[in-house]
Amino acid sequence: AQSVTQLGSHVSVSEGALVLLRCNYSSSVPPYLFWYVQYPNQGLQLLLKYTTGATLVKGINGFEAEFKKSETSFHLTKPSAHMSDAAEYFCAVSPMNTGFQKLVFGTGTRLLVSP
Amino acid sequence: NAGVMQNPRHLVRRRGQEARLRCSPMKGHSHVYWYRQLPEEGLKFMVYLQKENIIDESGMPKERFSAEFPKEGPSILRIQQVVRGDSAAYFCASSPPDRGPTEAFFGQGTRLTVV
Repeated sequence: AQSVTQLGSHVSVSEGALVLLRCNYSSSVPPYLFWYVQYPNQGLQLLLKYTTGATLVKGINGFEAEFKKSETSFHLTKPSAHMSDAAEYFCAVSPMNTGFQKLVFGTGTRLLVSP
Repeated sequence: NAGVMQNPRHLVRRRGQEARLRCSPMKGHSHVYWYRQLPEEGLKFMVYLQKENIIDESGMPKERFSAEFPKEGPSILRIQQVVRGDSAAYFCASSPPDRGPTEAFFGQGTRLTVV
């Protein structure tokens, strides 16, 4: 079965520092790939997605992610963290064997940003 | 264009009662997905519906849970005889026809607490 691994349930950075949130998936066929952000007691907001084409994807709020097929990875980065980036981040895949109709989520990474 | 609307936002039920969660998709969206988020976990797919049809219910527990998306009105997720383990956040997402998760938007969720 398709799975998504997010390394690190918590990541702490200082304001202005690089943000790197890791995501690896297991699939012989590249799925569609997504990053979502969830603020406390809120729903999920799409940050960015990869379906086909350019492997470096830019999203909202200055985030970007790179699809690396050889590493089965889709890590999320932001050059300079802001206090408002503190939230839970979920990586998700939409596998081809579901007709790209389902999302399989990782367990999430909580990003903490200190002044 | 209002987003995906879920109500109630918070729901408290005693063990053995029924819980009804409602989801009104975005205008023009005819596909609805329900996901459950248990504490400290990622979201898990439950069911995928189109108007008057259940397309995929592979993530639904075999008993007590049901979902519908009638021709008119919101999608309903119904949990009968709730137990403490049903306490979770339930999220609905909607998408336009044939777009799947790549163009899905999430609601803010219903947080169910079973006491």
